[in-house]
Amino acid sequence: GAGVSQSPRYKVAKRGQDVALRCDPISGHVSLFWYQQALGQGPEFLTYFQNEAQLDKSGLPSDRFFAERPEGSVSTLKIQRTQQEDSAVYLCASSLLPSQGATGELFFGEGSRLTVL
Amino acid sequence: RKEVEQDPGPFNVPEGATVAFNCTYSNSASQSFFWYRQDCRKEPKLLMSVYSSGNEDGRFTAQLNRASQYISLLIRDSKLSDSATYLCVVNRNQGGKLIFGQGTELSVKP
Repeated sequence: GAGVSQSPRYKVAKRGQDVALRCDPISGHVSLFWYQQALGQGPEFLTYFQNEAQLDKSGLPSDRFFAERPEGSVSTLKIQRTQQEDSAVYLCASSLLPSQGATGELFFGEGSRLTVL
Repeated sequence: RKEVEQDPGPFNVPEGATVAFNCTYSNSASQSFFWYRQDCRKEPKLLMSVYSSGNEDGRFTAQLNRASQYISLLIRDSKLSDSATYLCVVNRNQGGKLIFGQGTELSVKP
């Protein structure tokens, strides 16, 4: 497809389970971002990749969160031992250039909605 | 205090009304500014950039006041299709990381 693709779209996990969320960015896009969006809030930055290098992981809320992009294209966000406060929509975004600071245009996927019971 | 602050609304307006959204940011090192639009249960999409001189795109006008660290979005002649959440976004030029506000919900009624 032409856009950013995320899977699964919906995930229900029991507290303590591990989950893996996948992001397939737009082909050729260098930068990839993960954001977390809680209900009624704006997206909160989690981490950023430029190709396969994770340049910023300052937004990851705890060491239970881990992201990778081993070949510089598809990325996976893994959450270990999920907690109820992890319930949110996890948005992946990609951009063509190393830095989109000037243009601000990130292309978002539709998100993975995680519910932890 | 959040780095980007917005009035969450909701703003309920009739069709044809003019509505203004305000946003403040706390980091004076912020370099770039944007408005994104997010429809219910959909992904955010770039609406427009915001420049110091002010800029207009059809019915939408964005303004930036760097001295006051204040950003605004004006929508004229509101349409039903304008109903969405409007996100104020800033960039500190640190690897292209965008910082989003909470969003302001707009509901345009017939």
